[in-house]
Amino acid sequence: DTGVSQNPRHKITKRGQNVTFRCDPISEHNRLYWYRQTLGQGPEFLTYFQNEAQLEKSRLLSDRFSAERPKGSFSTLEIQRTEQGDSAMYLCASSLAIGGAGNTIYFGEGSWLTVV
Amino acid sequence: GENVEQHPSTLSVQEGDSAVIKCTYSDSASNYFPWYKQELGKRPQLIIDIRSNVGEKKDQRIAVTLNKTAKHFSLHITETQPEDSAVYFCAVLMNSGYSTLTFGKGTMLLVSP
Repeated sequence: DTGVSQNPRHKITKRGQNVTFRCDPISEHNRLYWYRQTLGQGPEFLTYFQNEAQLEKSRLLSDRFSAERPKGSFSTLEIQRTEQGDSAMYLCASSLAIGGAGNTIYFGEGSWLTVV
Repeated sequence: GENVEQHPSTLSVQEGDSAVIKCTYSDSASNYFPWYKQELGKRPQLIIDIRSNVGEKKDQRIAVTLNKTAKHFSLHITETQPEDSAVYFCAVLMNSGYSTLTFGKGTMLLVSP
């Protein structure tokens, strides 16, 4: 399977702990996105990278959240001092951006976070 | 920013009937409109998309229509089957070099045998 890969798939953590999720995009894709999805809602944009540059961040991405894509390949999303409101599915997606917008975005299976 | 409204939130049909889901958007600069299907606990999967230079696109039982003037687009599923049951999300991408998809809240489609 050469799709977008995420791990861990499930994480249960105590409030106040830090968690990190990893995403491996489709190999030739230069754009990588992080979204958050809660039950009954559509995915909400958090941030995205073009190669290693983080180009856009949502207001949802508080200072407890940090994302990196150090070599323009895989990415990590870290949440520090987790809160119960952080419980959600964190979706990674990737696309191949050539020229302007409108490139197909492919999602990974997501990483479920439960903060207890 | 972009605002996307999706209706209905739930839709129940009998197998073989057609289903239509509609989305409206606010930014006239939007130029890409994909539809995703998400089964419980699974990833959103792209099922069809349309760009602003066309008004309609069809792929077997699935079609999407776009009305740029009215700023709405719709997903049409004909001859529905139980395996079509899932949550469907519309999304919109602005015509910008630095932007990403804004999603609707989703429509839960239930197809009864």
